[in-house]
Amino acid sequence: GEDVEQSLFLSVREGDSSVINCTYTDSSSTYLYWYKQEPGAGLQLLTYIFSNMDMKQDQRLTVLLNKKDKHLSLRIADTQTGDSAIYFCAESIKGNTGKLIFGQGTTLQVKP
Amino acid sequence: DSGVTQTPKHLITATGQRVTLRCSPRSGDLSVYWYQQSLDQGLQFLIQYYNGEERAKGNILERFSAQQFPDLHSELNLSSLELGDSALYFCASSFPTGGGGITGELFFGEGSRLTVL
Repeated sequence: GEDVEQSLFLSVREGDSSVINCTYTDSSSTYLYWYKQEPGAGLQLLTYIFSNMDMKQDQRLTVLLNKKDKHLSLRIADTQTGDSAIYFCAESIKGNTGKLIFGQGTTLQVKP
Repeated sequence: DSGVTQTPKHLITATGQRVTLRCSPRSGDLSVYWYQQSLDQGLQFLIQYYNGEERAKGNILERFSAQQFPDLHSELNLSSLELGDSALYFCASSFPTGGGGITGELFFGEGSRLTVL
């Protein structure tokens, strides 16, 4: 079946790098996503990676995809207090990139 | 601001009641999706509409129904409410690329928080 797993909590110091990890089960996933949810807000797409890519970099964000191990990671360089939020990993189901399977979310706490 | 508008933002009701949640997608977006976020189930896909027609169904209860109107806004109807229906209900929209595919990006509204007492 389809399942996405994430660790629930990560705490880092301001200026450090954060790495949030995710594993998924559906090898036919077309896209894999990272969403950010701040308190009282909806989900904001941070970045996504197509399943035939290994890496994608976008400013402070680096996404690594290990398709063999079905492992996805999000690295945030120079983490700031404004990065404190819940980060969701999600995979799309083949044939419908709007039907997303989300992980439970990782709460990132950034300490000054 | 994602451009997706959801109303009401908060709703408190009693068990057994019926509520309607409304979503206005981004201008030009043809697809609307409903997701439920609860503490025990996390974020779950409920249903998708594309240009007025149901396109995909997820873990949506039979007590729940949705529709998309000609002006592309959508409503999610929740009936015979139970305590476990308390959750944050998100609407998202997207614009399809050529061939009926999706851009890969959903734009989420801020959600409607439903509390069932």
